[in-house]
Amino acid sequence: GAGVSQSPSNKVTEKGKDVELRCDPISGHTALYWYRQSLGQGLEFLIYFQGNSAPDKSGLPSDRFSAERTGGSVSTLTIQRTQQEDSAVYLCASRPLAGWSTDTQYFGPGTRLTVL
Amino acid sequence: QKEVEQDPGPLSVPEGAIVSLNCTYSNSAFQYFMWYRQYSRKGPELLMYTYSSGNKEDGRFTAQVDKSSKYISLFIRDSQPSDSATYLCAMKGAGTASKLTFGTGTRLQVTL
Repeated sequence: GAGVSQSPSNKVTEKGKDVELRCDPISGHTALYWYRQSLGQGLEFLIYFQGNSAPDKSGLPSDRFSAERTGGSVSTLTIQRTQQEDSAVYLCASRPLAGWSTDTQYFGPGTRLTVL
Repeated sequence: QKEVEQDPGPLSVPEGAIVSLNCTYSNSAFQYFMWYRQYSRKGPELLMYTYSSGNKEDGRFTAQVDKSSKYISLFIRDSQPSDSATYLCAMKGAGTASKLTFGTGTRLQVTL
């Protein structure tokens, strides 16, 4: 079946512009995560959605970052007034709610963001 | 100090070698331990998953967890060039909503 998809795969933008990154999780997966992966920094948790519950936004680095998940499926991560330090790979992962693999997160290929 | 420490490498080994990858951690609440493999320009994929202390074997891969030392390892036997990737350790506490905490990843290169 289809895995997690993300778009665009690459995004180059100018400092100060807004960007939107999209994630399509695996169908039926109720949990969705956004991570940021910077060179030498590993994966940094950003935000977590679980069903209709309020999202866990504790990892968002500033109020320039926001995310939403419409209809419990597709998610959009928005970065306003981008800065050069926002350059990174943004990864989305989804996870099923029930079953033996409930702790397994399935990652998309990521969006590589470059802020000039 | 980071909660999870992992040597970034790069680690270069010849084909057929035994590879040992390691992570240390400081949070005693971690109970679930994972290893993810990430090929260049791809997302991480789950390789091994263990709960609490002990060993788990899957083909050429063995994961070890020593909670008393807060130390986890991944061993790769008979390494192949296709094993060349970045290996990330990850861990979490109890509860399915608990967030994963990742190491920075170790880049492995298996040469012919």
